[in-house]
Order: sequence, then structure tokens, then C-alpha cells
Amino acid sequence: AQKVTQAQTEISVVEKEDVTLDCVYETRDTTYYLFWYKQPPSGELVFLIRRNSFDEQNEISGRYSWNFQKSTSSFNFTITASQVVDSAVYFCALSEFQGAQKLVFGQGTRLTINP
Amino acid sequence: DTAVSQTPKYLVTQMGNDKSIKCEQNLGHDTMYWYKQDSKKFLKIMFSYNNKELIINETVPNRFSPKSPDKAHLNLHINSLELGDSAVYFCASSQGLAIYEQFFGPGTRLTVL
Repeated sequence: AQKVTQAQTEISVVEKEDVTLDCVYETRDTTYYLFWYKQPPSGELVFLIRRNSFDEQNEISGRYSWNFQKSTSSFNFTITASQVVDSAVYFCALSEFQGAQKLVFGQGTRLTINP
Repeated sequence: DTAVSQTPKYLVTQMGNDKSIKCEQNLGHDTMYWYKQDSKKFLKIMFSYNNKELIINETVPNRFSPKSPDKAHLNLHINSLELGDSAVYFCASSQGLAIYEQFFGPGTRLTVL
């Protein structure tokens, strides 16, 4: 069965520090997709990135970057020069296809950026 | 314009009651989902519909009955509410059955007293 593990339950850093959120996944599929979602204190789920299993290129979007390594089944997320507005719960998710796409979520990492 | 909307945003009710949560998307998507987020923030899929047809039905008590009157709507009806049903319920939509981004609604916080 598919599984996503976010071992870091909570992280707290001071503003402007860099922070990396870890995500490790398990799947038997050769084709799969990985996602990161952000859930700010207001509660909505905000899509950040989707990456397919054939594309191991790292991705950078502003202060956000993602490191996908199939060899270690990891899809880590780094925020550079963190800001208070980055405070949120971040979810890593793996797609599973059962007639339709099903997202299997990790437990989430609560990130607190202190001023 | 709201892409995926849910009503109500908050729902407080007594144990044993029946309640419904409505979801609508204006993205033209044909696949919709219900997810449940428990008090520990764990998110788990409950149902998925494609073109009004049930595609995914996880191990959910049959007190939960989704209904999709058309592609743009997926409602969730819950009978005989229990304390353990208290959670945030998220509706989502995506295009097709393949692996695309799922757009989530704002969530409905259900509290059963």
C-alpha cells in the first residue's frame, strides 16, 4: 500500500532561517505523482507543487525549492529565508490510481516561523 | 470567483441528527472528491465521483452517503451523527481520472455534541 511519512511533526525556526521539510514515500507503482500542499491557519489547502516520478529535476519557485530523489524515495521541501507568513501545516502527498486519482497524505508538518 | 465552494463553513449539531454538506465547483471539472481531516490534521479520502458515477469508496460507514446530482456538485449526507464524525470535511475537484492537481474547497468544520 502507498504510504507517505513526514517524520517532523513540528518545526519552529526564527524568521530568515532556511528550513527543510522531509517527506519519504512508499509505493510499488513505477508511475506516480508527488504533491505538496500548504494549510495556513485559515484552514484552506493550497496546492504548491506536483512532480511525476520520471522527472527528478529539482524545482525552484521563489523562496521554495523541492528535491526529489527516487533512490531514497524522498521529496523534500526547502523554504529559504523563511517569513512569518510561511507558518502553516505542510502536507506531502502521493497519488494512487484506483479508477480515479486518490491522494495519500502524510501526517503533516506544522511549521512555525517566529519573528 | 470561488473555484470550489462548500456550505456551510461551520456545522454544529447534536448526536443522532442527520446533516448535509454541499459542494460546488465552477472549474468545469468532471471528478470530485470528499476528504476528512481529523483532529490530528490527518487527511484521508472518503469518496470520489467522476461524471456523477462513484469511483472511489473508502472504508466509510454507510451512514455517509455522497450524492452527485451533476458534474459540478457533490454533496455529502451524514445520518445518525456520532461524536467521532467531528472533523473538517474538504471537497476537491480535478479534471479527468488521471493525475492532476486537485483543487480543494475551504472545508466544513463539523462539530457533533
